[in-house]
Amino acid sequence: DIQMTQSPSTLSASVGDRVTITCRASQSINNWLAWYQQKPGKAPKLLIYMASSLESGVPSRFSGSGSGTEFTLTISSLQPDDFATYYCQQYNIYSTFGQGTKVEIK
Amino acid sequence: QVQLVQSGAEVKKPEASVKVSCKASGYTFTDHVMHWVRQAPGQRLEWMGWINAGNGNTKYSQKFQGRITITKDRSASTAYMELRSLRSEDTAVYFCARDPGYSSSWYYFDYWGQGTLVSVSS
Repeated sequence: DIQMTQSPSTLSASVGDRVTITCRASQSINNWLAWYQQKPGKAPKLLIYMASSLESGVPSRFSGSGSGTEFTLTISSLQPDDFATYYCQQYNIYSTFGQGTKVEIK
Repeated sequence: QVQLVQSGAEVKKPEASVKVSCKASGYTFTDHVMHWVRQAPGQRLEWMGWINAGNGNTKYSQKFQGRITITKDRSASTAYMELRSLRSEDTAVYFCARDPGYSSSWYYFDYWGQGTLVSVSS
């Protein structure tokens, strides 16, 4: 199985901050990577697919980059609605998720 | 708009089976693959398997092979996930999730059901 590791596990930030989350794959996954946002008690929401393609309806402050084994999700200016847990997912070979990064209020 | 509505919470004893349903609306059910993903308390999301809602083909994670069956009812636009021989470690929220690919699987998920909590306890 391809292992996905996110860092950090928890991130404290303020509204307006630029936030970056990193995701590393145990082997190359090309660009087959998605990012999701999940709030407590809710289903995940797709933000980014193909490493850098923004899902329709997702605010442009979210962006993704990377290829191969290292990827990043960036929120350019953190908004109150963005406090949540973020997961990366590889879909190069079946599907595996990272352990999540919780973005909390500083 | 696309909606996936799942059945309600279940409480099961060890060794029992559970069957969770996922009713789709707002799109042509048979055009997309439907996946099942679970999330144990405090754990990462875990892909379980999929069904091609058009031709009925299925693919399961090796972890669940032999214990899981995913089926569909085309007339009801509903997918089902049955998990057998339940153990306490199967306590989790189970999600159905639509694949954006047309008649094939990309293995990422653009719409999700609301989740169904399955609790396994003696």
